[in-house]
Amino acid sequence: ETGVTQTPRHLVMGMTNKKSLKCEQHLGHNAMYWYKQSAKKPLELMFVYSLEERVENNSVPSRFSPECPNSSHLFLHLHTLQPEDSALYLCASSQETGGTEQFFGPGTRLTVL
Amino acid sequence: GEDVEQSLFLSVREGDSSVINCTYTDSSSTYLYWYKQEPGAGLQLLTYIFSNMDMKQDQRLTVLLNKKDKHLSLRIADTQTGDSAIYFCAESGNTPLVFGKGTRLSVIA
Repeated sequence: ETGVTQTPRHLVMGMTNKKSLKCEQHLGHNAMYWYKQSAKKPLELMFVYSLEERVENNSVPSRFSPECPNSSHLFLHLHTLQPEDSALYLCASSQETGGTEQFFGPGTRLTVL
Repeated sequence: GEDVEQSLFLSVREGDSSVINCTYTDSSSTYLYWYKQEPGAGLQLLTYIFSNMDMKQDQRLTVLLNKKDKHLSLRIADTQTGDSAIYFCAESGNTPLVFGKGTRLSVIA
């Protein structure tokens, strides 16, 4: 148990659906991250939050919308996705953003039909 | 920007040693990490080394760091089938961790 949980673990959605991925960390960390992992790009950093403020957004399409209501929770809202968005979405947290060790959740396996 | 490079695949026989190599570009790296990802799971921290160290040993794992060449390696002694996974190298400076693309280790029985 890494202290970072993600729900759901698996999600299948159509291109017109709206869904949300949830991440929760129980480690008292100040920074949280969303990563996308696919066969084409093994580990892509999508968003970084520090103390609930977004500090990095790596050119992610607007159909992905993150939300960080407090330092323990991170959401990724999804709408009008494309089949190429099918991937494993990993959440991570760390004490600070400045290069400290990251703890990962188990991921949500997303399939877009 | 910073870059971390790893070879994508490695196959070894059960019982042999595995060596996974990584190179990085950020000379201000303070910590270097090895993460393991088993099928269908997230990344788990295996071990890390502080940049002023040359070597760290932890049971079957040995990490070697050549800071001059910016080269990091992970040696797994007596590799077992349970070691089959993707291994990610990551480095840290003053920004969020930068990960390599991962090395897929296949252990042949």
